[in-house]
Amino acid sequence: QKEVEQNSGPLSVPEGAIASLNCTYSDRGSQSFFWYRQYSGKSPELIMSIYSNGDKEDGRFTAQLNKASQYVSLLIRDSQPSDSATYLCAAHTGGFKTIFGAGTRLFVKA
Amino acid sequence: EAGVAQSPRYKIIEKRQSVAFWCNPISGHATLYWYQQILGQGPKLLIQFQNNGVVDDSQLPKDRFSAERLKGVDSTLKIQPAKLEDSAVYLCASSSGTAADQYFGPGTRLLVL
Repeated sequence: QKEVEQNSGPLSVPEGAIASLNCTYSDRGSQSFFWYRQYSGKSPELIMSIYSNGDKEDGRFTAQLNKASQYVSLLIRDSQPSDSATYLCAAHTGGFKTIFGAGTRLFVKA
Repeated sequence: EAGVAQSPRYKIIEKRQSVAFWCNPISGHATLYWYQQILGQGPKLLIQFQNNGVVDDSQLPKDRFSAERLKGVDSTLKIQPAKLEDSAVYLCASSSGTAADQYFGPGTRLLVL
């Protein structure tokens, strides 16, 4: 069973701090990785996608991928209360299937 | 650019009844996905279409769920008969290709009593 694992949290950080969200995946054939943000009662919203090892930055968000360790992370700099949400990690497997983790709940305290 | 459209937004039915959900993807997106998201869990892929062909339906409970994507655009997901455990949010997503970024619709919240 191919899996994507995330710490369910909640992860609580003060406003202005860096929030670090982590994700591991089991299928070594996975090539594409995605981070989604989901507010309560809303549908997932794509934040970033990453396909190659290393870092990818977009504004306050940085995604990191390490295929050797089967590890993906998302850093949120200068966290804001509006960043409080559930963050979903997803991996696109070699079998053309996208598998989502259960998500990590993030709380940013003002 | 219009996003993914879904209807209805909410549905309440009794067990053993049938229900259908509709999805219209982003214009030009060849790949369409139906996910089931149970409260507190991540979305689970039910079925994936590439144009009007099925790419993956390995997690679709085929004894009660069916889906079609006629003409490679709109799609319908049906449950017949519904069970209590089908209470969930049904999300439709689309992408330009099988490994590309997916964009989600607002979802249909189903409650089975």
